[in-house]
Amino acid sequence: DVKVTQSSRYLVKRTGEKVFLECVQDMDHENMFWYRQDPGLGLRLIYFSYDVKMKEKGDIPEGYSVSREKKERFSLILESASTNQTSMYLCASSLRWDREYFGPGTRLTVT
Amino acid sequence: AQKVTQAQTEISVVEKEDVTLDCVYETRDTTYYLFWYKQPPSGELVFLIRRNSFDEQNEISGRYSWNFQKSTSSFNFTITASQVVDSAVYFCALGEGNFNKFYFGSGTKLNVKP
Repeated sequence: DVKVTQSSRYLVKRTGEKVFLECVQDMDHENMFWYRQDPGLGLRLIYFSYDVKMKEKGDIPEGYSVSREKKERFSLILESASTNQTSMYLCASSLRWDREYFGPGTRLTVT
Repeated sequence: AQKVTQAQTEISVVEKEDVTLDCVYETRDTTYYLFWYKQPPSGELVFLIRRNSFDEQNEISGRYSWNFQKSTSSFNFTITASQVVDSAVYFCALGEGNFNKFYFGSGTKLNVKP
């Protein structure tokens, strides 16, 4: 079974802190994705990566950056967390033209 | 413009009723994929189905069925004889592009009451 793990289920950070969200997949997938999920807005793509060191902006990249130094790991970075970044963050991975496998999500609260 | 539209924000039914969740998509690609996911209260997204743009056959899996119509750009999902365990948020998604970029609808929350 494909497994996508995220470093934390719940996280509380203060405004202005640098926040790292880690995602690891164990199936050698090329593609990895970061979404945020907010009520009524569905899943919105922040960034995706189709190979090591490659990244593409999604629909809402502002305030975020990503890093993919190894194929299995995709990190989302909030350079200076703000309260409007309080959300559920979902990581996913996929093979090209296959469905996404999602992690359990990280619920981030920025106070 | 929304790539994937799920116009029904929330639906409530009584157990054993049939219910259809609507999904309308927009794409200029000739090759694309459509998906449905279920998100129960626990939060983790559960994959239900993938359909590619060249396969318009309807699919049935137990109480679940999917109706794909390219002519109306729709990929609707029907649950027959709904059960309380079907209560969840259901997302429709479109996959397109060389690197498999996905677009999700805003989700439909289904409440099945006993």
